[in-house]
Amino acid sequence: EIVLTQSPGTLSLSPGERATLSCRASQSVSGSQLAWYQQKPGQAPSLLISGASGRATGIPDRFSGSGSGTDFTLTINRLEPEDFAVYYCQQYGSSPLTFGGGTKVEIK
Amino acid sequence: EVQLVESGGGLVQPGGSLRLSCAASGFTFSNYWMSWVRQGPEKGLEWVANIREDGSEQYYVASVRGRFTISRDNAKNSLYLQMTSLRVEDTAVYYCATVKGCGTSTTCHWHYWGQGTLVTVSS
Repeated sequence: EIVLTQSPGTLSLSPGERATLSCRASQSVSGSQLAWYQQKPGQAPSLLISGASGRATGIPDRFSGSGSGTDFTLTINRLEPEDFAVYYCQQYGSSPLTFGGGTKVEIK
Repeated sequence: EVQLVESGGGLVQPGGSLRLSCAASGFTFSNYWMSWVRQGPEKGLEWVANIREDGSEQYYVASVRGRFTISRDNAKNSLYLQMTSLRVEDTAVYYCATVKGCGTSTTCHWHYWGQGTLVTVSS
């Protein structure tokens, strides 16, 4: 089973700053089949990125994903107030699919 | 606008049963694989089950296989999850979701999600 470790656990930033979130896999993620989701309190997860770097429909270009193999990054440029949330990575290249534990981006 | 609306959750005793429903609108339901994904207090996000567009194939996480049954009615744009022999560890918010793509038949990721329905298994 591929274990996904997200860091940091919590990121305290101000609106307008850049957020850099890490997702490290215990083994190489096949075909860069990694997704990122955003979850706000009381809401379902929402797809941001798939295939490590492909933005989902309607996602602003301040969100970008990068990486391959075992190291992946979600970058949020110029944080907007609505971006403060929990972010999860998920690999879907190998069975069983797995999720990271999440990074909370909070207002500083 | 894509909408997925789950219903049927509630409080049930261990060993009991529940049937969850998901009403879909705003897209061609019969063209999509669908899934149930749950989020519990202990395990976090966990995929539960997948079903092919035509309902001909179903896939389950090992912990629910033999207890849960995923099904769909494309004429009614609806997805279902019949849950039996419920356990305390099945307590979670259950989401229905549209599959965006899969690495294998049991390793998918999801585009649209419903708001979820809470299932609590407790005596």
